[in-house]
Amino acid sequence: QLVLTQSPSASASLGASVKLTCSLSSGHSTYAIAWHQHQPEKGPRYLMMVYSDGSHMKGDGIPDRFSGSSSGAERYLTISSLQSADEADYYCQTWGTGMVFGGGTKLTVL
Amino acid sequence: QVQLVESGGGVVQPGRSLRLACAASGFTFSRYGMHWVRKAPGKGLEWVAVMSYDGGEKYYADSVRGRFTISRDNSKNTLDLQMNSLRAEDTAVYYCAKVGEQYSRWAYFDYWGQGTLVTVSS
Repeated sequence: QLVLTQSPSASASLGASVKLTCSLSSGHSTYAIAWHQHQPEKGPRYLMMVYSDGSHMKGDGIPDRFSGSSSGAERYLTISSLQSADEADYYCQTWGTGMVFGGGTKLTVL
Repeated sequence: QVQLVESGGGVVQPGRSLRLACAASGFTFSRYGMHWVRKAPGKGLEWVAVMSYDGGEKYYADSVRGRFTISRDNSKNTLDLQMNSLRAEDTAVYYCAKVGEQYSRWAYFDYWGQGTLVTVSS
């Protein structure tokens, strides 16, 4: 069964960097995933696709502070030079015979 | 630019019906699969339904199958979600989302709407 696993929460200081993880279930390590940012009272925003080879494809207007990478069944979203506006929920998404979301990571900027 | 604008949310009693709409602009609507996704209070994103670019295929989450119906009108650039037999657990913000690849129904979402709130309560 295709499942995405994310840590429920993460925190980092203003100006620092943070790396969020999305783990693919066993047998699905070659799957690409998408990262989305969801700020309160707004619609989600597509950030990027991350592929199994570590390459990524960003959405329109996504700053260079956001980058993606990959290792085995793990897909990462790194945010550098953290700003208060980056405080949000971050979801990973993938698909097989249906659409799957991770449980989301709530990022707190200290 | 791409815009997705949902409407039709509100407060409804359990067992009643509600119809949501998503108005799309800024892209060739008839070339893209479209989805509905919801977020219940305190929970994460939950996929609800998808309709293929031409309306020929539709799929639903187990939680809504048999109660919800997705449809689209490519002449009007609109996507709808008819919700029947509503339950308290359907309370959520409902988002429409555009697939990022032409003629695909299963792919990443590259644009989302701002959402419309549905509250099911007596």
